[in-house]
Amino acid sequence: DADVTQTPRNRITKTGKRIMLECSQTKGHDRMYWYRQDPGLGLRLIYYSFDVKDINKGEISDGYSVSRQAQAKFSLSLESAIPNQTALYFCATSARRSGANVLTFGAGSRLTVL
Amino acid sequence: DQQVKQNSPSLSVQEGRISILNCDYTNSMFDYFLWYKKYPAEGPTFLISISSIKDKNEDGRFTVFLNKSAKHLSLHIVPSQPGDSAVYFCAARAHSGAGSYQLTFGKGTKLSVIP
Repeated sequence: DADVTQTPRNRITKTGKRIMLECSQTKGHDRMYWYRQDPGLGLRLIYYSFDVKDINKGEISDGYSVSRQAQAKFSLSLESAIPNQTALYFCATSARRSGANVLTFGAGSRLTVL
Repeated sequence: DQQVKQNSPSLSVQEGRISILNCDYTNSMFDYFLWYKKYPAEGPTFLISISSIKDKNEDGRFTVFLNKSAKHLSLHIVPSQPGDSAVYFCAARAHSGAGSYQLTFGKGTKLSVIP
């Protein structure tokens, strides 16, 4: 089993629908992140959480919300999806003390908003 | 304003030769630099890192060089193998307050190693 599991792997939805992307990890890491990748762009940070009671906005949090249900689970929600949220979404984890801040990524969730 | 720049979207190299991937940055507060490799349909995986107090770090076929005065780093892969064909992301770490750090990623360079 993967260390970081994302569901669903692919999702097609319509404008205005509510979407939730889920992430679970078996690494035992405290820190979890949601990134977005668009074609020709790097990964951009949406939200991050350093423990269950800690939620922080990243570079591009508008239009998104997150929930840290447990140390191992971190979900990303789009309350009302719009086409420019079509992207590849990655969940990642890191340990509290990981030197260079090495992230372990999930395989990604590809979201298409029509 | 992009703080981490990978100006070459793609690179093709013959198997057995050296691959050199470049990365430039603008923020002098970055204290760690990392390279990630990404295969299609997979998440990025960590490859190698270097602290800003060093100028070289080597791990097997992979070496990262850092030139702080030029705000430039490069990843060398020697010898290149077809399995190295992937997208390579350069990332840089900066302190973001309250004892936390954040990574800023470049756009990536797609490396193709030709057999």
